Amino acid sequence: QVQMVESGGGVVQTGGSLRLSCAASGFIFSNYGIHWVRQAPGKGLEWVAFVRNDGNLEQYADSVKGRFTISRDNFRNTLYLQMTSLRADDMALYYCAKEEFRGYGTFGSWGQGTLVTVSS
Amino acid sequence: QSALTQPPSASGSPGQSVTISCTGTSSDIGAYNYVSWYQQHPGKAPKLIIYEVSKRPSGVPDRFSGSKSGNTASLTVSGLQAEDEADYYCNSYAGNHKVLFGGGTKLTVL
Repeated sequence: QVQMVESGGGVVQTGGSLRLSCAASGFIFSNYGIHWVRQAPGKGLEWVAFVRNDGNLEQYADSVKGRFTISRDNFRNTLYLQMTSLRADDMALYYCAKEEFRGYGTFGSWGQGTLVTVSS
Repeated sequence: QSALTQPPSASGSPGQSVTISCTGTSSDIGAYNYVSWYQQHPGKAPKLIIYEVSKRPSGVPDRFSGSKSGNTASLTVSGLQAEDEADYYCNSYAGNHKVLFGGGTKLTVL
């Protein structure tokens, strides 16, 4: 079955960097667009970034554009999120989510998330 | 782009129906039939329960239904059960590979 396992979260200082990973299995990774979605403690879901199945198209929320970079390795079945210039409001549980059905923001499978804590 | 607007809370007694709204604009909900709804229990990842406005993934009870009118989408939960108590989120495609989420609605089963 589909499995998505995030890793790489941790404690980082304001202004620091962190790289998240999402290891996928149980499906043909290179056939699907994948997104990062985050959830601040006690808050709602916020879409962060998208990468097309071939890795050649990316899109970002305005709140992270210019600071975060999404990428993927279709040979390693792994998604990445490089985060730089981290701010207090980036503190959240970060999920990777796989598009399903026709895509366009339909997130059929999610990981369990990896927690990013930004401290001053 | 602003988040979609959902009521912060909703409630109903077991067996009753409850409807949760999700309001966007003519650039997101009004422009595309790509509205999804997610159920999230505490400490768990979100689960897709409605996609493309009104379609249900396999395994989701038909007590859950979705609809859309203009810039507003709605999720109706019929025959409320205790296990339906959770947070519910809508999202919509917003063009150019961007996605918007609603702020979430906490559903309480009285």
